[in-house]
This record gives sequence, structure tokens and C-alpha cells, in this order.
Amino acid sequence: EVQLVESGGGLVQPGGSLRLSCAASGFTFSSYHMHWVRQAPGKGLEYVSTITSDGDTTYYANSVKGRFTISRDNSKNTLYLQMGSLRAEDMAVYYCARRRSESYDYWGQGTLVTVSS
Amino acid sequence: DIQLTQSPSFLSASVGDRVTITCRASQGIRSYLAWYQQKPGKAPKVLIYAASTLQSGVPSRFSGSGSGTEFTLTISSLQPEDFATYYCQQFNFYPLTFGGGTKVEIK
Repeated sequence: EVQLVESGGGLVQPGGSLRLSCAASGFTFSSYHMHWVRQAPGKGLEYVSTITSDGDTTYYANSVKGRFTISRDNSKNTLYLQMGSLRAEDMAVYYCARRRSESYDYWGQGTLVTVSS
Repeated sequence: DIQLTQSPSFLSASVGDRVTITCRASQGIRSYLAWYQQKPGKAPKVLIYAASTLQSGVPSRFSGSGSGTEFTLTISSLQPEDFATYYCQQFNFYPLTFGGGTKVEIK
């Protein structure tokens, strides 16, 4: 059974940093491009970042470029999102998602990041 | 960035109704579009990918069509479990983008 389990969310002050993790199981992690998507409270879905299966190529939303870094460890079946210079508008539930064809076919349950002083 | 405009943003419908949601892209995205359903407190679930391919396990009352800049999601006969928010997403250009969502509520 495919599972994606996020962790690392919590309360952080504006300007602070946080690292999210997404533990994958039930599939060959190293074969899939992986993504982060977020959803602010009561708002719609927002694409955050992508990393290719081999980790060589990354993409970011303009809103996080230069502040967030996506990475992966295929030996540990884990995806990461290092977030820095956090702002109030970064407060959201962060989901990791597996890309298959032109969709996300599996999503994690999400982890909440709260940015507040 | 590609802008995806969904309409309507909200609709009220009854069980058994035929429902159509539109997603318009700011430039052509071929058929690289997916549709998701999201219920409160849950992660989204893919319904349609490549504009018109039904995801395995999704009921056949859901269908998608379109290419280029205009796409539609149709629910042929709305069921109680279909009341949710629906999103489109394009996969043709990075950064990937989502539509603003369509909330389907019970009339």
C-alpha cells in the first residue's frame, strides 16, 4: 500500500526556519517525481515545489523561490522541504504528493505550519 | 505563470443533477490537466488526468473533456458523496498551477 507521511510541521516565528519531511513507503520511491503542495486555512491549493526522481532537477513557485529548498534521500525513501525566512502567508497545511502521468495520484495527510510570533 | 480560472466558484445543486465545472487556462496547455475532489479536512483525490482519463476506481459519472485552454468536469448525476470542492491543475508548464476551486453544495 502506498503511503506518504509528512512530519515536521509546527509553530515558527516570522523569519524562522523549518524542515518538513515526507516518508514514503509501498512503492519504488526513486522512480517518481515528488511534489509539495500547500493549502492556507480556508483557501485553495497552491503548488510549492517539485523534485525529479533522481533529485537532479527542482522547480519552485515564485512565492517560495529563494526561501525554500526541496530535496530527497532515495536511500531513506524520504522527501524534504527546507523552509526559511518564513512569513505569515506561508502558514498552511503542507502536503507531499507523488506525480504519476499528469496528476498527483497519492497524497500525504498533510502537516500544519503555523507562522506567528 | 499559467493562470487557471474555474467557474463557477460556488454552485448549489440537488442529488441527481448534472453538474458542469469549467477551467480556462491563460494559454494553451494541450491536454495536461487534472481534476481533484477535496472534502473538508482531507487531502485531495484525483478524479481525471490528461484532461479526460478517468482515474482507476473513480465512478463513471465523472468525466472530463477539453484541450488547449478550455476544459470541463462533468458529474452526470450528482450523488450525496459528491458534495465537495473541486480543483483543476495544469501540468504543461512549471510552475504548476491550480484553479481557484469550485465548491459544490447541496441545494
